[in-house]
Amino acid sequence: RKEVEQDPGPFNVPEGATVAFNCTYSNSASQSFFWYRQDCRKEPKLLMSVYSSGNEDGRFTAQLNRASQYISLLIRDSKLSDSATYLCVVSRRNQAGTALIFGKGTTLSVSS
Amino acid sequence: DTAVSQTPKYLVTQMGNDKSIKCEQNLGHDTMYWYKQDSKKFLKIMFSYNNKELIINETVPNRFSPKSPDKAHLNLHINSLELGDSAVYFCASSQVIQGITGANVLTFGAGSRLTVL
Repeated sequence: RKEVEQDPGPFNVPEGATVAFNCTYSNSASQSFFWYRQDCRKEPKLLMSVYSSGNEDGRFTAQLNRASQYISLLIRDSKLSDSATYLCVVSRRNQAGTALIFGKGTTLSVSS
Repeated sequence: DTAVSQTPKYLVTQMGNDKSIKCEQNLGHDTMYWYKQDSKKFLKIMFSYNNKELIINETVPNRFSPKSPDKAHLNLHINSLELGDSAVYFCASSQVIQGITGANVLTFGAGSRLTVL
């Protein structure tokens, strides 16, 4: 089982739609969770951290279910500018240090 | 000012050559990383250094040798390049957020696209 698995996508939605991405992770000891966004031929950038209680940032809502090892991202009122690849990211800690492990990403295309 | 800068941005070379990619961060972060993003867009960690010391090596072939002369720099040298090394290599840095176990937000460089012919 991969460390971080995401919906394969792509998601093609019209402007204004609500879209949800799911992610599961295999390491129950993971402590930190994030969603990153990557535009075509650009570097990944932090979209938002994900907290146990769930958190919202404008049109974006992230949820974490530790028992199910499941993370979600909800985007409301999609904009054309939301078109990108969304990467689910989970921390992995060992004796040496902490690494952030990325999922393969889910591509979102918002059309007018 | 660019926070994490990598050079070169593009690199085209022949199989068997040796090449280096340089990375510098001016964020004052303690930890730096190299990630590889292949043609299928999968972003995979390769190495991590904390204050010039190697802390993570993700079973990367010995042909890849990272070097960190100081905590602001992490260079990647690749010997005997192979076709499968073609990818975008991203440098990143992070600083653990005080009081939050394991939390480390990454800041990435713009990437170095390596093409091996």
